[in-house]
Amino acid sequence: NAGVTQTPKFQVLKTGQSMTLQCAQDMNHNSMYWYRQDPGMGLRLIYYSASEGTTDKGEVPNGYNVSRLNKREFSLRLESAAPSQTSVYFCASSELEFSGELFFGEGSRLTVL
Amino acid sequence: AQKVTQAQTEISVVEKEDVTLDCVYETRDTTYYLFWYKQPPSGELVFLIRRNSFDEQNEISGRYSWNFQKSTSSFNFTITASQVVDSAVYFCALSESLFDNNDMRFGAGTRLTVKP
Repeated sequence: NAGVTQTPKFQVLKTGQSMTLQCAQDMNHNSMYWYRQDPGMGLRLIYYSASEGTTDKGEVPNGYNVSRLNKREFSLRLESAAPSQTSVYFCASSELEFSGELFFGEGSRLTVL
Repeated sequence: AQKVTQAQTEISVVEKEDVTLDCVYETRDTTYYLFWYKQPPSGELVFLIRRNSFDEQNEISGRYSWNFQKSTSSFNFTITASQVVDSAVYFCALSESLFDNNDMRFGAGTRLTVKP
């Protein structure tokens, strides 16, 4: 049971570089999410996709873009990385009828120098 | 907007001790949903429980119990007879809707260390 798979697990970038975090889920969930986790701040929603073909901004979307490639995959792109984007990023998925039970990946630790 | 406060940043206990993790929330809605998630060292968050605002019964699941008190806007989590495997970061979260994917707000988390 893979659940939610994120790649890469670790990445170091220089300021201004771009990169894409990949996420895939095998639970046939409609909704997918990208969160960032920062010390003392819990998890904050960056973007979400309620269903294939739709994406919406969350609480902290600036500096990010997303693509819902198909029902399984939801990618997060940093076009021009900044040190403030150093964080641990989590992808999650849930059923369309949101029960509150989010299924999370193991996280991707990103450092921007 | 809703808010969740977990005032305890870190807690350390010795195995077999009981420990309570505090969660205080703020919301203007009369209908809302509270959650606890566990983040073990492996990293991925794991859902533990959901409690609806209209159901104030406390919940027990094995060594875990949850105390929901609307009067004090609290949803505390107690682990009885803690074990080393309980060491993790625990997050409390609040959502004012089950149909708004943008709505869930997490607390800052409490890191629990259980020493042998």
